[in-house]
Formats: sequence, structure tokens, C-alpha cells
Amino acid sequence: DAGVTQSPTHLIKTRGQQVTLRCSPKSGHDTVSWYQQALGQGPQFIFQYYEEEERQRGNFPDRFSGHQFPNYSSELNVNALLLGDSALYLCASSSGVMGLYEQYFGPGTRLTVT
Amino acid sequence: DAKTTQPPSMDCAEGRAANLPCNHSTISGNEYVYWYRQIHSQGPQYIIHGLKNNETNEMASLIITEDRKSSTLILPHATLRDTAVYYCIVRVVSGNFNKFYFGSGTKLNVKP
Repeated sequence: DAGVTQSPTHLIKTRGQQVTLRCSPKSGHDTVSWYQQALGQGPQFIFQYYEEEERQRGNFPDRFSGHQFPNYSSELNVNALLLGDSALYLCASSSGVMGLYEQYFGPGTRLTVT
Repeated sequence: DAKTTQPPSMDCAEGRAANLPCNHSTISGNEYVYWYRQIHSQGPQYIIHGLKNNETNEMASLIITEDRKSSTLILPHATLRDTAVYYCIVRVVSGNFNKFYFGSGTKLNVKP
């Protein structure tokens, strides 16, 4: 089992550009959550996808959008990049069983905006 | 947004127990406490979770106070490989879905 995988590993973009990050969940998982982790801070929840729909969202602007595919993989899109979007973007997958819920995190994508 | 507070850093001698405290004074009755750790900016790794009772697994023990306003993660015999940032997290349930609220974490330095 490969666990949660993310691509690319690193990415450099210019202000104003758009970026797409990808995530494949752990086998058997149907829910994908995305987090933004700025340097020296804890991860901040962006949104969560289940059954191809956004189910919950954190305090992030509409520039951040996502998608989930029938095979449960997911994409995070960020439009009109700002310098402050530079961060480690983490994907976590889970299967929502109450009381046994556990998120498995991928290694992350390091985004640098110049 | 963070629902937990943790000391920014702690030191521990190799072989000794590491006790990492966490305050979550606003936690609600159905919200779980989770602990994860993150090494060298890799993805966070699950350690343990609990609701009311103390919990133990092969990695650690979790002690939750009776009023649930705070908890302590215990690594019984810390090794150099346990050097990492440890996050205390509250899992908030909304309908059938869950959201993790991370704090700023505690950097644990295990020293020889």
C-alpha cells in the first residue's frame, strides 16, 4: 500500500499565476482533506471532499478550489497566486467511521510563489 | 481558529519519559483529542487519540483530565528519533464529517 501520495513534490510559481496540486488517497479511503502549512506553523484546514463534493471549508478565499474524482483522488487549485500562498500543502485521506476516524497525511507539496 | 495551546518547545533526555502538555479548555463533549507528530516537514504522523478515558498504544500514552480541558502525551522512553514537532488537535464533528484543528505544536528536542 503506497499510502497517500502527492504531486508534484516541489513547485515554483510567479505571482498571479494558477497552480494545481494532486493527491491520491490511501487505498480504501473515500474522503480527502487539504491543509496549508506556512513555515513554522501548524497545518490549517482548507477544505474536505467526499463523494466528489466539497463538504466542509475552512477560512480560505474562493481563489482556493478543489475537485474530487470518481476514484477518490483529488486536486487543489489556487488562482491568482499571492506571495503569502507560499507554503507546504498537505493532503490527508480518511474513511469516516465515527470513533475510529484517523487521517493519513501525504508528504506534501512545497509551493513557492515569487 | 486553533482550539489548542501548547508550549512552543521542550527538551527531554534520551531514555527518559517525555510529557507534552496541551490545553483545550473550550472542547465540547463529542470532540476527540488527537496527537500527531511531524518530522522534518514531512506529512504529520498519527500517534494516538482519545475522548474521555486514558489511552495507551505501542507509541505513547494519552492522559486526559476529568474535565477534559487539558491532556498530556507521554512518550515513555524517548529516543533521538522522537525529535519532532508534536501537534495536539481537536477533532470537530459536523454532521457526518470531521475537521481537524491544529495548534502551533511543541518542538520536542531529545538530547543524548
